[in-house]
Amino acid sequence: KQEVTQIPAALSVPEGENLVLNCSFTDSAIYNLQWFRQDPGKGLTSLLLIQSSQREQTSGRLNASLDKSSGRSTLYIAASQPGDSATYLCAVMLYNFGNEKLTFGTGTRLTIIP
Amino acid sequence: DAGVTQSPTHLIKTRGQQVTLRCSPKSGHDTVSWYQQALGQGPQFIFQYYEEEERQRGNFPDRFSGHQFPNYSSELNVNALLLGDSALYLCASSYDGGWNEQFFGPGTRLTVL
Repeated sequence: KQEVTQIPAALSVPEGENLVLNCSFTDSAIYNLQWFRQDPGKGLTSLLLIQSSQREQTSGRLNASLDKSSGRSTLYIAASQPGDSATYLCAVMLYNFGNEKLTFGTGTRLTIIP
Repeated sequence: DAGVTQSPTHLIKTRGQQVTLRCSPKSGHDTVSWYQQALGQGPQFIFQYYEEEERQRGNFPDRFSGHQFPNYSSELNVNALLLGDSALYLCASSYDGGWNEQFFGPGTRLTVL
């Protein structure tokens, strides 16, 4: 059974700092990994999708890396802003036909201090 | 493109009642997946619909059922509501099965009293 862990559960940093969020998963036979952002009480916004054959993806100030062999992914946020405050979730999809579902971590709640 | 839409936004029911939640996928998408998110937790997979059939199912009881229509929209039905069914219900759409990037709707907040 795939398990996804995100540490820390909460993180507070001053505005302008660079930061890294961590995601680990137990089964390395993944098809892809997605990072999402969730504002309180809202739905999920897809940030980055990394296919299993890729090592990283970038979008603006965000960079996500994937190391399948160690079962880890990181989300790097450069020059953090107060608007980045949200919960960040990672989710993996196993490479298993008939099992095309996302397994989520419990998220990291990020607070950027102005 | 309106993206994934869900209705209603909020819903309050009492124990034992039945509820229907609705989802319209993103334009061009044919696959709809439903997730339940309890407070402070990550979303949990309920089931997925593709070509109007339930393709796979998570660890949820038969009280949870669904349907997909020819226009790819979908409904989630929950019977005999329990207090523990209170959660944010999220719909995600993708194309050509669930392999591709999934896009989520804003969710329906269900409160069971």
